[in-house]
Amino acid sequence: DQQVKQNSPSLSVQEGRISILNCDYTNSMFDYFLWYKKYPAEGPTFLISISSIKDKNEDGRFTVFLNKSAKHLSLHIVPSQPGDSAVYFCAASSSARQLTFGSGTQLTVLP
Amino acid sequence: ETGVTQTPRHLVMGMTNKKSLKCEQHLGHNAMYWYKQSAKKPLELMFVYSLEERVENNSVPSRFSPECPNSSHLFLHLHTLQPEDSALYLCASSQGGTGLNEQFFGPGTRLTVL
Repeated sequence: DQQVKQNSPSLSVQEGRISILNCDYTNSMFDYFLWYKKYPAEGPTFLISISSIKDKNEDGRFTVFLNKSAKHLSLHIVPSQPGDSAVYFCAASSSARQLTFGSGTQLTVLP
Repeated sequence: ETGVTQTPRHLVMGMTNKKSLKCEQHLGHNAMYWYKQSAKKPLELMFVYSLEERVENNSVPSRFSPECPNSSHLFLHLHTLQPEDSALYLCASSQGGTGLNEQFFGPGTRLTVL
C-alpha cells in the first residue's frame, strides 16, 4: 500500500497562472516532506522541503503547504512558466529514516 | 565531471546476461543510494550505503547485487533478470544517509530486459 500518494498523474496550466500539485500521505509518523522535480533524461532535483513543525515554506515562486490533520501537502507555483514543465515527486520521511516517494505528477505549462 | 554520473545511460540485456550499472559522485558525499523507477510507480528505494557500509536493503531480489568500493563509487550487478525488472535505475548521493539529507540524483540507466 502506497504511503505517499499523488492522485493526479498529470496537470496542465496556462503560463502565468498558478499550478497546484497535491500529495496525500497515510503515515502519521512522517515529519519531513520534500518536493523533487524531474526533467526527461535527467535525475530528480530537490526543489523545496518542509518540516512538520511548520505549515508553510516559501522559496521564490514555490510554496509548499502542509496540513497535518488532513495528511496533505501541496506545492504552489506562481506564476507558472513553460520551464516548470516536468514531473514533480512528493517525498516524505519519518525520524530521519529513508524517503518514501509518490508516483509523480506531470506538469505541463502551456505558453 | 560534476554531480552524479551514471553509466551506461541505456542497457538492453537478455535474461541470462550479467551486466553492471555504475554510479560515480563528485560531490564529496558519504552516502549513496540505488532507486528503481517503473512506469507510473513511485521511486522505490533498493539499497543505501552510508560510509561504504550497506545500511538498508529493501527486500530486493538477490539477482540485484550492490557494491560500494569507496564513497565515490557504487555499482549494481545484475544477473538472470526478469522482464519485469525493466525500469529506470537511479543512483543518488547525499552528505549523511538519512531522509533529512538532500539527495542528488544521477540521470539514470534505462534498463530493458528481453
